Amino acid sequence: DAKTTQPPSMDCAEGRAANLPCNHSTISGNEYVYWYRQIHSQGPQYIIHGLKNNETNEMASLIITEDRKSSTLILPHATLRDTAVYYCIVRTFRDNYGQNFVFGPGTRLSVLP
Amino acid sequence: DTEVTQTPKHLVMGMTNKKSLKCEQHMGHRAMYWYKQKAKKPPELMFVYSYEKLSINESVPSRFSPECPNSSLLNLHLHALQPEDSALYLCASSLRPDEQFFGPGTRLTVL
Repeated sequence: DAKTTQPPSMDCAEGRAANLPCNHSTISGNEYVYWYRQIHSQGPQYIIHGLKNNETNEMASLIITEDRKSSTLILPHATLRDTAVYYCIVRTFRDNYGQNFVFGPGTRLSVLP
Repeated sequence: DTEVTQTPKHLVMGMTNKKSLKCEQHMGHRAMYWYKQKAKKPPELMFVYSYEKLSINESVPSRFSPECPNSSLLNLHLHALQPEDSALYLCASSLRPDEQFFGPGTRLTVL
């Protein structure tokens, strides 16, 4: 599975959009981009995933560049509750169980009042 | 019921003790996972159970012994742990391979 690089930390003003970048320049054609987040003292939480098209759900939007070498997670209106560590993970989609996610260091997002 | 529960929330044990961590889900998920997370580090996979069979063991020392008695329950038996095993132990389950649901974790301290 491809490696990812993320900035170690970011700040965002409450109510503004938080744009979290992820670089995955060695991504291969069958690898998906996943985002999870971990709020302090809680387990990680799935946010969104995508292959090459942009994706949106009730939590966030995922923008993947045309060459798929990087992506951006967008939280459209960040709140204080979005303060967390955000993990970008790239891995092959497998239709069987018994597979793992390898979490990198992630980006610590601080939403400021 | 849409959550993964873990008990206990906190556990303090000596190096000669035997204890167990418990994880439960009633979402019909057929894969369950144990992760270990040290302070300020990302979670690291320990074990994966798929349809109640151990499918991945990430070279975890034998002092950690997983058990999956049924599709809803996952245990982690602990014996002769070391202080460096102190960490947050996370359980997760998944229905679809790409989306794991995590429990809140058990914070373990080994004295």
